[in-house]
Amino acid sequence: AQSVAQPEDQVNVAEGNPLTVKCTYSVSGNPYLFWYVQYPNRGLQFLLKYITGDNLVKGSYGFEAEFNKSQTSFHLKKPSALVSDSALYFCAVRGYRDDKIIFGKGTRLHILP
Amino acid sequence: DTGVSQNPRHKITKRGQNVTFRCDPISEHNRLYWYRQTLGQGPEFLTYFQNEAQLEKSRLLSDRFSAERPKGSFSTLEIQRTEQGDSAMYLCASSLAPPEYNSPLHFGNGTRLTVT
Repeated sequence: AQSVAQPEDQVNVAEGNPLTVKCTYSVSGNPYLFWYVQYPNRGLQFLLKYITGDNLVKGSYGFEAEFNKSQTSFHLKKPSALVSDSALYFCAVRGYRDDKIIFGKGTRLHILP
Repeated sequence: DTGVSQNPRHKITKRGQNVTFRCDPISEHNRLYWYRQTLGQGPEFLTYFQNEAQLEKSRLLSDRFSAERPKGSFSTLEIQRTEQGDSAMYLCASSLAPPEYNSPLHFGNGTRLTVT
């Protein structure tokens, strides 16, 4: 069965600095990986997904994610953080032929003005 | 694309009562998922449908929970004899089916259930 881990409960970054939110995964076969963002009292919004063969994937709002097969990681990144990026971020994985998408516990991103 | 719609947004009920939530997915999506989210946690998978067929139900899900998608369009999630531990945000999502394995889920805004 697939699993995903987000080792940090919270990440604090000063506005304008680069940010990284970590995610590692475990899955049989090719991974299907996703990042979502959640604002207070809202559902999850899709940010980006891993595309086979692309180690750096670009998504919405200037976010990108770096895929590393040997480290089984899919870290979310942004070159310059904005205060409006403050939210809860979830990494998710779907295994091949296992159609559940499993979510990590989330990382709260705090961008300090 | 009107997005995924969930009703009601909030539901307060007394312990022991039954509640039903509705989800209207994106019209061209044949997959529909239900998740439950509690404070400080990620969404927990409950069940999913392809068209009207319920393909999987979480082993953690009590028999008090049942879901239907009678015509392959909207879905309902019913909780019978609610308990305080059922208090959570219930999220619905839809997506395209395989072979679109990297089709993302599109979520509704959720129904927040409070059991008193």
